[in-house]
Amino acid sequence: QQQVKQSPQSLIVQKGGISIINCAYENTAFDYFPWYQQFPGKGPALLIAIRPDVSEKKEGRFTISFNKSAKQFSLHIMDSQPGDSATYFCAASNAGGGADGLTFGKGTHLIIQP
Amino acid sequence: GAGVSQSPSNKVTEKGKDVELRCDPISGHTALYWYRQSLGQGLEFLIYFQGNSAPDKSGLPSDRFSAERTGGSVSTLTIQRTQQEDSAVYLCASSLGHGIGQPQHFGDGTRLSIL
Repeated sequence: QQQVKQSPQSLIVQKGGISIINCAYENTAFDYFPWYQQFPGKGPALLIAIRPDVSEKKEGRFTISFNKSAKQFSLHIMDSQPGDSATYFCAASNAGGGADGLTFGKGTHLIIQP
Repeated sequence: GAGVSQSPSNKVTEKGKDVELRCDPISGHTALYWYRQSLGQGLEFLIYFQGNSAPDKSGLPSDRFSAERTGGSVSTLTIQRTQQEDSAVYLCASSLGHGIGQPQHFGDGTRLSIL
């Protein structure tokens, strides 16, 4: 059972455009939702994270939108740049990790065309 | 460096051999996690240590997999009698503790190839 579903699998956006990646979860016990960015040959790096008591969190060009009733959350990358080309993973956990770790989506391969 | 360090970065071995993967967490981080990243399965959680203790080992794929952590620092993941399906990138992460607001920081992984 896939507990976190991520879409799209791949995404091509023009430089300066908005990149949007969506995730849906099933486990209502999840209370921590991070997004990770991964470049080839590197480990995932934390971008931004949100808890379900807020509906939106913004850090620079990156924004998470969270809809608790729909059990969905999304990442928006404003003014997308070629350097943003990477694989993005959404994740979820109960209490930040612990014995159950993070449950990841399958990833979105983002390409920003110059 | 100040990040999570994993070694070796790459490992190629023959089917049936044992392998040992090492993770050196960020200094002071008490929580340590192992994940496996493969093309078909994405990122899969394997095991968590709080200090030297792993409260739940059910995420390990089979009894050929074992992990330990000593001195609350370095951890090793051992795979015995390797199989081709064990080929993957094995990632380690650490955090100050577990709980909200304690982000997990990942190393660059060990790419394991079983011939």
